[in-house]
Amino acid sequence: DQQVKQNSPSLSVQEGRISILNCDYTNSMFDYFLWYKKYPAEGPTFLISISSIKDKNEDGRFTVFLNKSAKHLSLHIVPSQPGDSAVYFCAASWGPYGSGNTGKLIFGQGTTLQVKP
Amino acid sequence: DADVTQTPRNRITKTGKRIMLECSQTKGHDRMYWYRQDPGLGLRLIYYSFDVKDINKGEISDGYSVSRQAQAKFSLSLESAIPNQTALYFCATSDLRDRDSKTQYFGPGTRLLVL
Repeated sequence: DQQVKQNSPSLSVQEGRISILNCDYTNSMFDYFLWYKKYPAEGPTFLISISSIKDKNEDGRFTVFLNKSAKHLSLHIVPSQPGDSAVYFCAASWGPYGSGNTGKLIFGQGTTLQVKP
Repeated sequence: DADVTQTPRNRITKTGKRIMLECSQTKGHDRMYWYRQDPGLGLRLIYYSFDVKDINKGEISDGYSVSRQAQAKFSLSLESAIPNQTALYFCATSDLRDRDSKTQYFGPGTRLLVL
């Protein structure tokens, strides 16, 4: 049972354009969402996150949007750069600190982004 | 980021062999995790530890065991390796004191091939 889904295995965009990566989830208890970027032969690195009390969080070229009613989040990269080419994972978590679920992340399958020069 | 290190980085072993993957961190974080990554499946949690005396199973713990030797060290063992344990393994850490974030910080990974 895949609670976090990234239905697009790959995405190709031109340099300078917008990249939009999508993620859907099924568990309404999720209250915190993260995006990670992974280059080959490296571990995932944290990119940006959003709490369920917000619907948007922005950090430079990266913006994450959360639509709780649709159980959907998206990562926008504007403008896209060749160095953004990587695998992107969305992840979800739930529960306040102190609960047994705290800290556990559920990951999507990943989307490979290719930004062409 | 050398704050979380994993050894070995690559390993080839045979079916039935015992193998240990090691993780060390200098972040001072209390929480540590082991994940495996398989193509098309993302990262799945194997085990996690909230402190030295606390070990918990993740969603795919069968065939694995762990040891938290110290706050900074968390080892994953495959008691009798099988080919479907061929995967990329990641260790991660997080900080209980970081109450506004559930961010985990990952090591570089260990690529394991079981023949």
